[in-house]
Amino acid sequence: DTGVSQNPRHKITKRGQNVTFRCDPISEHNRLYWYRQTLGQGPEFLTYFQNEAQLEKSRLLSDRFSAERPKGSFSTLEIQRTEQGDSAMYLCASSARGTGGTYGYTFGSGTRLTVV
Amino acid sequence: RKEVEQDPGPFNVPEGATVAFNCTYSNSASQSFFWYRQDCRKEPKLLMSVYSSGNEDGRFTAQLNRASQYISLLIRDSKLSDSATYLCVVNFNAGGTSYGKLTFGQGTILTVHP
Repeated sequence: DTGVSQNPRHKITKRGQNVTFRCDPISEHNRLYWYRQTLGQGPEFLTYFQNEAQLEKSRLLSDRFSAERPKGSFSTLEIQRTEQGDSAMYLCASSARGTGGTYGYTFGSGTRLTVV
Repeated sequence: RKEVEQDPGPFNVPEGATVAFNCTYSNSASQSFFWYRQDCRKEPKLLMSVYSSGNEDGRFTAQLNRASQYISLLIRDSKLSDSATYLCVVNFNAGGTSYGKLTFGQGTILTVHP
């Protein structure tokens, strides 16, 4: 596998439930990012990991959101007590250290979350 | 004011037309600039990087004006397959380091019709 893999592709959940998404980056990439994209908007940055360290979190990442990258490989994004406003496409990307940190920047296919 | 602003369009053009998209960014510490293409319900994919000297890739030409904080994309001889959303993307230099956090514009929708 040479790309960024995200699971599940689609998730429908009832309001108030917890959901967890997984991202498997390109194996040699040490940098991993999560973004959220709502309809008609560009992706918005949520958080960034370098190896296992979470180095930046957006103010968009409320207390209900948590992300981990325990061994510096795959990452999980959990949303607790989901709200309808959480409905969006959650995109994961990875890159290797390089010019501007964007060397080989690759997005996964995303997880589309619908909260009903 | 948004950090990266684009005209959302939509732009509807006939095949063969030339179309131009514009983008402005607010942070003068911006370091790297890109145009991404996003097809409906798909992930964004890099179309091309943008350099101050301007760069061209086939029918696509990108320009950067750092003084005006302005980025453009020109598509010549439009094809039906060019129909997509085009995202203006900036990598800001935060505190002297840049680790790859991308800031996206809203996207400009292009539809090329026969």
